Amino acid sequence: GAVVSQHPSRVICKSGTSVKIECRSLDFQATTMFWYRQFPKQSLMLMATSNEGSKATYEQGVEKDKFLINHASLTLSTLTVTSAHPEDSSFYICSARSGGGYYGYTFGSGTRLTVV
Amino acid sequence: SQQGEEDPQALSIQEGENATMNCSYKTSINNLQWYRQNSGRGLVHLILIRSNEREKHSGRLRVTLDTSKKSSSLLITASRAADTASYFCATFRTQGGSEKLVFGKGTKLTVNP
Repeated sequence: GAVVSQHPSRVICKSGTSVKIECRSLDFQATTMFWYRQFPKQSLMLMATSNEGSKATYEQGVEKDKFLINHASLTLSTLTVTSAHPEDSSFYICSARSGGGYYGYTFGSGTRLTVV
Repeated sequence: SQQGEEDPQALSIQEGENATMNCSYKTSINNLQWYRQNSGRGLVHLILIRSNEREKHSGRLRVTLDTSKKSSSLLITASRAADTASYFCATFRTQGGSEKLVFGKGTKLTVNP
């Protein structure tokens, strides 16, 4: 079945630095990828939708300049948290879809970001 | 927020018992899906039910959908300790060429051996 690899699984960084999270579709081409954020004991909040070769669409309230999303190929999307602050500490999860309609939503295993 | 609501927020049962989780949502949908998340991990898709379907089964899972009440339920029969996880419903809808998968708040299920 479809597999999405997300890396790293855990990262600790200092305030003010930037962190890049990768999301790769291993055995299919992902025309669309989604990035979610999850706070402890809470649900997933959609941050942005990225389409290969075009700009990401951000949800209301998500800072584009802080959460940079790049979907340069059909198998890779990256989320860069710029100038990270402790309040950015969270669990980030990506998902990928390979075509039209619902079919093919596959989730990565998530990245635990801790900003100290 | 357009998140759905699940209830209960937490459910603790004994192995062998059935677990029922409910989900309500606010907007029209194309389909509704249920996902499972083990602690600190990604999500695993369990089952999808389309807006024109009322009930669907998959192994020990049974999902119902009532679009008039904008609600869905997930039943896990003969629960096992390995079913311990958080369960989320997610509504899928398309709008203006874009699509969204919006998650509910989740139910944390604990199955005691």
